[in-house]
Amino acid sequence: EVQLVQSGAEVKKPGESLKISCKGSGYSFTSYWIGWVRQMPGKGLEWMGIIYPGDSDTRYSPSFQGQVTISADKSISTAYLQWSSLKASDTAMYYCVRRYYDILTGYYPYYFDYWGQGTLVTVSS
Amino acid sequence: NFMLTQPHSVSESPGKTVTISCTRSSGSIASNYVQWYQQRPGSSPTTVIYEDNQRPSGVPDRFSGSIDSSSNSASLTISGLKTEDEADYYCQSYDSSNVYVFGTGTKVTVL
Repeated sequence: EVQLVQSGAEVKKPGESLKISCKGSGYSFTSYWIGWVRQMPGKGLEWMGIIYPGDSDTRYSPSFQGQVTISADKSISTAYLQWSSLKASDTAMYYCVRRYYDILTGYYPYYFDYWGQGTLVTVSS
Repeated sequence: NFMLTQPHSVSESPGKTVTISCTRSSGSIASNYVQWYQQRPGSSPTTVIYEDNQRPSGVPDRFSGSIDSSSNSASLTISGLKTEDEADYYCQSYDSSNVYVFGTGTKVTVL
């Protein structure tokens, strides 16, 4: 069974750093792109970026480039999203997502077939 | 980059049909596939339509997707509305640089 299990909720102060995680299981972690999606309180979904754990190729949304860092450790099938200096406006739910891959044809459609349960990040002084 | 604009909310009675639009601001809607995600309150989103009109296994055929080049928009239609369909729905597409775009989201209320 495919699962994306994210780390638990975090409460941080402005200026602090943070790294949240997303562990994949039940599939070949290095063969699927893993992305991150932000959802601010009461708001819609925003795509942040995506990484291919096989070679760490990473793409960022222009809105999030330079604001966060996406990484992966394929040895433990885990992707990460990190901030060096949090702001109150980073308060949100963060989801990791898996981009679908047709393993039989080698086709990578541009949609997300599995979502993590979400990590709530609260930044408040 | 482009934007995907959806109506803020739609509402309809059980058993009726509702259609949600998703209008692309620039570039052709037909140039990149459109997906639709359902997000029930307090839950992670799930896919109900991918590649314009394909349903993942387990999604009932009450859900259907289409695109209309004349209005440069995609649509999600839910027929035979059920109370369990009450949720937020988001369209999603992408560009050639592997940049993904979500729509603004639509709240579906089943009266």
